[in-house]
Amino acid sequence: SQQGEEDPQALSIQEGENATMNCSYKTSINNLQWYRQNSGRGLVHLILIRSNEREKHSGRLRVTLDTSKKSSSLLITASRAADTASYFCATDFSPQIIFGKGTRLHILP
Amino acid sequence: DGGITQSPKYLFRKEGQNVTLSCEQNLNHDAMYWYRQDPGQGLRLIYYSQIVNDFQKGDIAEGYSVSREKKESFPLTVTSAQKNPTAFYLCASSKWQPNTEAFFGQGTRLTVV
Repeated sequence: SQQGEEDPQALSIQEGENATMNCSYKTSINNLQWYRQNSGRGLVHLILIRSNEREKHSGRLRVTLDTSKKSSSLLITASRAADTASYFCATDFSPQIIFGKGTRLHILP
Repeated sequence: DGGITQSPKYLFRKEGQNVTLSCEQNLNHDAMYWYRQDPGQGLRLIYYSQIVNDFQKGDIAEGYSVSREKKESFPLTVTSAQKNPTAFYLCASSKWQPNTEAFFGQGTRLTVV
């Protein structure tokens, strides 16, 4: 049972543009996390936002959380070729961490 | 360097064979997880363990078995009962406390030949 659903499933943008990905989930959460996966590799943690937070920044990343709508968004500003990867949201149901299906982001040169 | 190590990176299995995937961590994490990822899909939870000698089934545990005899190690056995084992397997670990991130290994790609 996958808790988070990312939207869109795939996204292609020009280098330098901003990329926005959305995540919707079904039930109350402790926190929501975003991870990146380069092709054929493990996942790398990007950012964690707690249920009582609305917005969080980390470098070029901005995450928002709307618990009333059960949704989150990940914004990557000034995209670079190295940002090409799949991005997953994950909801924390300690001890389980449940992942969505991901958004595949492709940065065009 | 602290981290989580999966081996082997690639594994080939004949039908009817059991195979074991290794996962070791030196992060002193209590919790460990196994996920399965199919092409273009998300991660599905197979098993997880919060402490030594204890583990729980995830969403797709059928055809898999695990053990947690040491805090550092959480091997996954893919048994012959798993009808479609070809997939990318990811191991992860985390602290056993709220609001903490998971650390992942680099994965094992299992192919049935």
